[in-house]
Amino acid sequence: DIVMTQSPDSLAVSLGERATINCKSSQSVLNSPNNKNYLAWYQQKPGQPPKVLIYWASTRESGVPDRFSGSGSGTDFTLTISSLQAEDVAVYYCQQYYSIPFTFGPGTKVDIK
Amino acid sequence: EVQLVESGGGLIQPGRSLRLSCAASGFTFIDYAMHWVRQAPGKGLEWVSGLSWNSGDIAYADSVKGRFTISRDNAKNSLYLQMHSLRAEDTALYYCAKGPAYDILTGYGYFDYWGQGTQVTVSS
Repeated sequence: DIVMTQSPDSLAVSLGERATINCKSSQSVLNSPNNKNYLAWYQQKPGQPPKVLIYWASTRESGVPDRFSGSGSGTDFTLTISSLQAEDVAVYYCQQYYSIPFTFGPGTKVDIK
Repeated sequence: EVQLVESGGGLIQPGRSLRLSCAASGFTFIDYAMHWVRQAPGKGLEWVSGLSWNSGDIAYADSVKGRFTISRDNAKNSLYLQMHSLRAEDTALYYCAKGPAYDILTGYGYFDYWGQGTQVTVSS
């Protein structure tokens, strides 16, 4: 199974500042034939189901604000919130869909400083 | 508007069985793969099982393989999860989730819509 790790476990950022979350996979999730990374990012607010933000490591889901961006390739990925808003307080998960079983990272909690 | 509404959860004794259902609307159900994902209280997300549009491809997490069976009824726009030999560690909020394409094996194993979940508590 591909093991996903995230860092940090939690972070507190001032409103309007940048938040950066890292995700690492135990093996590459890059599919060489199509050069796509099979990596998604989700946001889960308290009491709500997760919501997909990013797929293919860097493609923003329709309707997701452009302050959210994803980057990285192979085994190392980053989710960046360029200017943190109050409504961004949530737990963020990365997930690989390169191989079954699909696996998630443990989550990173983002709060306001 | 895509809607996924789970039902069937509850308090169940260890070793017993339970069947979860997910009613889908707002999209052409037969065109998409579907999944179950669970979240234990205060914990992270765990993919449980998924199946392709025609049930031709089905996959399970090792933690449930042999005990859980996923199925779908495209005529009823419904997804199911039959759970047998339930254990305390199966206690979780079970989400029904939609895949972005018809298959689960071609790199489309992420989840673009989620239901609100149904709680399963396994305890004596």
